[in-house]
Amino acid sequence: DQQVKQNSPSLSVQEGRISILNCDYTNSMFDYFLWYKKYPAEGPTFLISISSIKDKNEDGRFTVFLNKSAKHLSLHIVPSQPGDSAVYFCAARAIMDTGRRALTFGSGTRLQVQP
Amino acid sequence: DTAVSQTPKYLVTQMGNDKSIKCEQNLGHDTMYWYKQDSKKFLKIMFSYNNKELIINETVPNRFSPKSPDKAHLNLHINSLELGDSAVYFCASSQDLLREGAYEQYFGPGTRLTVT
Repeated sequence: DQQVKQNSPSLSVQEGRISILNCDYTNSMFDYFLWYKKYPAEGPTFLISISSIKDKNEDGRFTVFLNKSAKHLSLHIVPSQPGDSAVYFCAARAIMDTGRRALTFGSGTRLQVQP
Repeated sequence: DTAVSQTPKYLVTQMGNDKSIKCEQNLGHDTMYWYKQDSKKFLKIMFSYNNKELIINETVPNRFSPKSPDKAHLNLHINSLELGDSAVYFCASSQDLLREGAYEQYFGPGTRLTVT
């Protein structure tokens, strides 16, 4: 039972255009959502996050939108650059019974930005 | 300056062997983790650990055990390796899990384990 789903395994966009990566979740107890970026042979690196009490967070070319009623979030990259080509993981954070927080990751979307 | 480092980067071994993967972080974080990236590319938590508490994902076989000699290190020991253990294993660290705010985890580069 995957609580965080990224249904598009890959996405290809032209340089300068918008990239939109989507993520769906099932657990309404998630309190934060995070996006990670991963290059080949490297570990994931944190990109941007959003609290469950907000619907938008922007950081430069990256904007994350959260639709709680639909249990859906998306990452927008504008304008897309070839260096953005990587695998993007959506992650959601929940508070466990112990009071500690744990992340659940999606399966990732491979973004390719064509020059 | 490598924040989270893992060794080795690649590990090829035979079934039945015992192996270890080392992880070190120089970020001063309180909590460290081990993840397994399976064939379907999901990143699945195996353990989270700080100096007070080890939290184990109940689906992890007891052949896997974390060992923490100090706050900056969390090594992964695997006994009696099986073919299905082949995967990429990532170490990560973060501030205390109880702290408020959106903490992020910092990942190591991964160790690709191949069991033949």
